[in-house]
Amino acid sequence: GQQLNQSPQSMFIQEGEDVSMNCTSSSIFNTWLWYKQDPGEGPVLLIALYKAGELTSNGRLTAQFGITRKDSFLNISASIPSDVGIYFCAGTTSGTYKYIFGTGTRLKVLA
Amino acid sequence: SQTIHQWPATLVQPVGSPLSLECTVEGTSNPNLYWYRQAAGRGLQLLFYSVGIGQISSEVPQNLSASRPQDRQFILSSKKLLLSDSGFYLCAWSSGIANSPLHFGNGTRLTVT
Repeated sequence: GQQLNQSPQSMFIQEGEDVSMNCTSSSIFNTWLWYKQDPGEGPVLLIALYKAGELTSNGRLTAQFGITRKDSFLNISASIPSDVGIYFCAGTTSGTYKYIFGTGTRLKVLA
Repeated sequence: SQTIHQWPATLVQPVGSPLSLECTVEGTSNPNLYWYRQAAGRGLQLLFYSVGIGQISSEVPQNLSASRPQDRQFILSSKKLLLSDSGFYLCAWSSGIANSPLHFGNGTRLTVT
């Protein structure tokens, strides 16, 4: 079945640093989503991407839909302590209502 | 605006007992509804999804079932819980438009003892 590989699995960074994470798929996707999950809560949608090559920002967050349609990237600029959490990518193929989720990137920010 | 409610927030149940988790969505019609499970420190596994009343698609053979008795109500059930059913259960909705994003509830933490 479809798999999403998300990397890195975890990262510790200093406050103010930029962060990059990515997801790769074994299949072509036509939608990529990025979520953040705080402990004990449901994931919250950060950015949605619908076209290959699309670059979309949400404040300090920027995500890109890879040209091959098999990958996506999320960047966080000038990280702050509240960026701590787990970031998930999710994707779906055309004609389905099912989203496949990555395994998550756990981000810890050191003040 | 649309809102999604899940309850209870936490639940401790003995092995062999039944389960019923409820999810309701407000502010939208004909949503797609989903149940995901998240094991500790792991990603999200799709359990069931529904594109309409009475329509349920199961993704993983397991000890659980789902029902959609009303347009905006989605229920996750089990007749007899197993230890392996412990986890964080998340309900989500999306609009009926293809590829619309998922919006999650705050989850139910289930511990089977």
